[in-house]
Amino acid sequence: DTEVTQTPKHLVMGMTNKKSLKCEQHMGHRAMYWYKQKAKKPPELMFVYSYEKLSINESVPSRFSPECPNSSLLNLHLHALQPEDSALYLCASSQERTVSNYGYTFGSGTRLTVV
Amino acid sequence: AQSVTQLGSHVSVSEGALVLLRCNYSSSVPPYLFWYVQYPNQGLQLLLKYTSAATLVKGINGFEAEFKKSETSFHLTKPSAHMSDAAEYFCAVGGYSSASKIIFGSGTRLSIRP
Repeated sequence: DTEVTQTPKHLVMGMTNKKSLKCEQHMGHRAMYWYKQKAKKPPELMFVYSYEKLSINESVPSRFSPECPNSSLLNLHLHALQPEDSALYLCASSQERTVSNYGYTFGSGTRLTVV
Repeated sequence: AQSVTQLGSHVSVSEGALVLLRCNYSSSVPPYLFWYVQYPNQGLQLLLKYTSAATLVKGINGFEAEFKKSETSFHLTKPSAHMSDAAEYFCAVGGYSSASKIIFGSGTRLSIRP
C-alpha cells in the first residue's frame, strides 16, 4: 500500500460546526504533515508530526487542532472556522523525520468550504 | 534560509513540443530538490528528486531535471509534450534541517495546445 488516504473528499461546514479531517497511511512512515492550499497557490505547511509527536506548528490558529492517535493516522479537528479557511487540505507522510531524502507522499486532499 | 523561485506562472506549449519549466533555488547548504505535479482537484505527486547522487535526474512520465550548481537551477524538461501533461508543477527545496520542511515554489501552470 503506497497511498495516503484522506476523508472526506469534500466538506461543507458552518462557522459554528465542529468537524474532523482524517488521514491514513500504511507505508510505515513516521512523519506526517498537514498542508493548506488556497486556489492557485502552493501548499503551506501547517503541522508536522514525527513519531506521533507534534514537532512543528506553523503558528496555526487554535481553531485548527491536530491529533496523531497512532503512527498510521492523523486527524485535523476543526472548530469555529472562518470563510477564509476554505481551501484544499492536504495530508502527507514521509519515511523519516528528515524528509529531504525522500520527499513526501501526498493524499488527494479534502476540499473544505466554510459557509 | 532556503527558497525556490519558479520563473513563469504559466507556460503554454504545443503538443509534441519541448517542455521547459524553470526553477532556481537559494540554499546555504547543498539542497535536496523536488518537482511535484498537481492535476486539478488532486493532491501532489512526486515527479523526481535530486539528492546529490547524480546531477541529471530522471523522473516519471518522461520528465527529467538537471541540477546546475553554478546556475543554482533545477529546470524540469520533457522532450515531447502530451495533452495529459497539462497540470500545475511545483518546484520544492528541502535541506538537512531537522525541521523536516519542504518549501514549495509558487507553481507553474502548464497548458498544452493541440
